[in-house]
Amino acid sequence: DTEVTQTPKHLVMGMTNKKSLKCEQHMGHRAMYWYKQKAKKPPELMFVYSYEKLSINESVPSRFSPECPNSSLLNLHLHALQPEDSALYLCASSQDLAGLAYEQYFGPGTRLTVT
Amino acid sequence: GQQVMQIPQYQHVQEGEDFTTYCNSSTTLSNIQWYKQRPGGHPVFLIQLVKSGEVKKQKRLTFQFGEAKKNSSLHITATQTTDVGTYFCAGPGAGAGSYQLTFGKGTKLSVIP
Repeated sequence: DTEVTQTPKHLVMGMTNKKSLKCEQHMGHRAMYWYKQKAKKPPELMFVYSYEKLSINESVPSRFSPECPNSSLLNLHLHALQPEDSALYLCASSQDLAGLAYEQYFGPGTRLTVT
Repeated sequence: GQQVMQIPQYQHVQEGEDFTTYCNSSTTLSNIQWYKQRPGGHPVFLIQLVKSGEVKKQKRLTFQFGEAKKNSSLHITATQTTDVGTYFCAGPGAGAGSYQLTFGKGTKLSVIP
């Protein structure tokens, strides 16, 4: 199974809402990532978890809060977002930290619209 | 931080023509990866290059890693409509971020039938 799943596929939320994005992988990977991708741009790294511990937080605003409940699951909690946060949110996983030459497997993404 | 420059940004080709996208780094890369993202889709891993001067082929796709490990290219022979998408190269970051990938800006390929 080389699949990374993400739910929901689409999400529309108001600026006062609280919502969560979910990601799951069953490949035994120990690194998991959240990326944000705006239209016509490359994926932009937000957070990296390695062995269920937060390794990297790329200066992401606190209205985005990641959580790694176990080695297969990754959540992204959203609160008080701004319209400019509308984007495709991609989850990815790799055997270990990817810069050490491990490919990343991406989920299909959650297309988020903030109204 | 580490930057991987990718050109061209867009390429329109007639079906059957060849296509090449190039990546350049100002510093030596330990490895480079290539991903393809179809319209409306997510990035999919294509290949990883590690050795200086390495050349790898996948059917009509040829990937090269430069001798100095500072540049890479992806060449598609006789493009087909199924090749449409954005091709990204990605290399490790610098310093403390060396274990995360930095993506190039991508080359969007359009194929005219």
